[in-house]
Amino acid sequence: AQTVTQSQPEMSVQEAETVTLSCTYDTSESDYYLFWYKQPPSRQMILVIRQEAYKQQNATENRFSVNFQKAAKSFSLKISDSQLGDAAMYFCAYRSEGTGTASKLTFGTGTRLQVTL
Amino acid sequence: DAGVIQSPRHEVTEMGQEVTLRCKPISGHNSLFWYRQTMMRGLELLIYFNNNVPIDDSGMPEDRFSAKMPNASFSTLKIQPSEPRDSAVYFCASSPGPLHEKLFFGSGTQLSVL
Repeated sequence: AQTVTQSQPEMSVQEAETVTLSCTYDTSESDYYLFWYKQPPSRQMILVIRQEAYKQQNATENRFSVNFQKAAKSFSLKISDSQLGDAAMYFCAYRSEGTGTASKLTFGTGTRLQVTL
Repeated sequence: DAGVIQSPRHEVTEMGQEVTLRCKPISGHNSLFWYRQTMMRGLELLIYFNNNVPIDDSGMPEDRFSAKMPNASFSTLKIQPSEPRDSAVYFCASSPGPLHEKLFFGSGTQLSVL
């Protein structure tokens, strides 16, 4: 079974600075998807960014980018120019490419990000 | 589109009572997932439907939990009888299909069992 590990329970960053959240995963598959979800106090899970494992190029979405190291099974999220609205829980997640039971998302335990003035 | 709609947003009940959580997926989405979030265990998949058929219910904790999807626009998660350890946030999510990698989550139901 796949596992996702987020080793940083909490992180803090100053407004306008850059922060990197870590995520590692364990899988024997070669094709899969990786995600970062944001959960603000409103509880809604919001997709921040996704990465297909077959793509070597790191995904970017505005101020959010990832460092995907397939061999190391590492998938970190970099937030540039941090804003107060970025404060939230961030979850790393894994999903197999297949269907059926493989379609489920497996989540890490989350990293709480604080943004200070 | 209104997104995935869950009700109620909050539910407080006493141990032993029946609890029913409701979910309306995004129109046109064929896959529906129920997740449970607790501090101790994080986000866990309870059950997954595709085209209204349960595909994987291996995450359902025990027989007290049941889920149904009578049609493409409605699903329920029922707990009977409820216990204090069932207290958690329950999320419903939908996806355009099993091969689609993106899940859309509802706002969750905060369940407290006293």
